[in-house]
This record gives sequence, structure tokens and C-alpha cells, in this order.
Amino acid sequence: GAVVSQHPSWVICKSGTSVKIECRSLDFQATTMFWYRQFPKQSLMLMATSNEGSKATYEQGVEKDKFLINHASLTLSTLTVTSAHPEDSSFYICSAQVSGTGYEQYFGPGTRLTVT
Amino acid sequence: AQSVTQLDSHVSVSEGTPVLLRCNYSSSYSPSLFWYVQHPNKGLQLLLKYTSAATLVKGINGFEAEFKKSETSFHLTKPSAHMSDAAEYFCVVTSDSWGKLQFGAGTQVVVTP
Repeated sequence: GAVVSQHPSWVICKSGTSVKIECRSLDFQATTMFWYRQFPKQSLMLMATSNEGSKATYEQGVEKDKFLINHASLTLSTLTVTSAHPEDSSFYICSAQVSGTGYEQYFGPGTRLTVT
Repeated sequence: AQSVTQLDSHVSVSEGTPVLLRCNYSSSYSPSLFWYVQHPNKGLQLLLKYTSAATLVKGINGFEAEFKKSETSFHLTKPSAHMSDAAEYFCVVTSDSWGKLQFGAGTQVVVTP
């Protein structure tokens, strides 16, 4: 149980285009989903927190107009990287949390984005 | 503010020998603490968690960790390393009462035959 999927697992796009990444909780309903960014050989940095039906809360320094997050249902959150640039190339990881489980987050496998 | 420090960026052990990964935290309230493992090109997997119950926490794959409030530590141990334990390990603390997580910098574990 508690499986989180991400799609796509790997994407290459040209500079200036937009890319959408999906995060789904497959066998449970997630009250909260999180989006992280991980650079090579580095730790995870939280980008934003989203609750179903509400606007996402972004961490300091994260451009909300560049990284659009939509949490339309209890099983789906999307991250759209708008007008992507090479510096946006990174590993994006989502996680899902169920209230009452002691803050445990279930992580997706990640999406590697390369912007050329 | 909450923070977590992993004292070793890289640990190398021989197969069959004990593994110790060190983690210290700071928190202004009673935190929840976790250890996650990340294998190459894989998602993060929860090894174990401490949520104010027993201070000695047993996890999957033979790992365990002890919460020591007086030392603000949450070190991860395993009595006998396997080759499959080679991965990146993250010590994680809840950074607020809403469940946001703060990750340590990670410890890369290498297991030699």
C-alpha cells in the first residue's frame, strides 16, 4: 500500500517551453502533497505544499509563477514548469501525506527534467 | 527553527560489518524524526520513524535508530551490512506542526565485498 506514482519519469524539453509533471497517490487519498527539488548529489529541497482544493504554499525563493501547482483531487497533484530554462533542469520529487499518520510522507519515484 | 545535521557525508563499510550513520537535530518542540533511503534512480523509501513513542525504533531491513533527547541525536545502525545497503540515506525532521519535512544533507553508504 501507500504507493505514489509520477509521470513522466524522465522528460527533455526545449528552453522556453512548459512541462507538466503528474503526481498520483494510487491506493490512498492524500490530504496534502509536497513538491521537492533535488540537484545531483544534494539533498531534497521543499518547493511547495499543496492541499486539495486550495492554493499551494510556496517556500521562500520559489517562484510561484514559474512553478504552477494544482491539487485538483485527493489523488492528483500537478507541477507545471513554465517557460523552462536550463537552470530548471533537476530531479523533481513529489510526496503525499495522510493526516493522522504521524507526518509520514510517501514519495514518488521522481521526474528527471532536462531543459536544452 | 528546526534543523538536522548528518555528520558524515560518506561512509564506507565492509559487507558483514556494522553500519553507523550519525544524525543530530535541533527543534523547538518535540519533533518526529525519520530515516529515508534512496537507491540510485529510485524513490525514497522510509526505513523507520520516531513519533514520541519508544525511543529505540526498529525499521525495515534490519535497521534501527535510537532517539536520545539529551544528545539531540537520532543515529541509524545496522549490525551487519549487505551489498544491497549501498545507497544514500537521509535523516529527516518535521520542521513545523503541519508535517513539513526538513532533510539532512544525506550520507552516501558504500559497501565493499
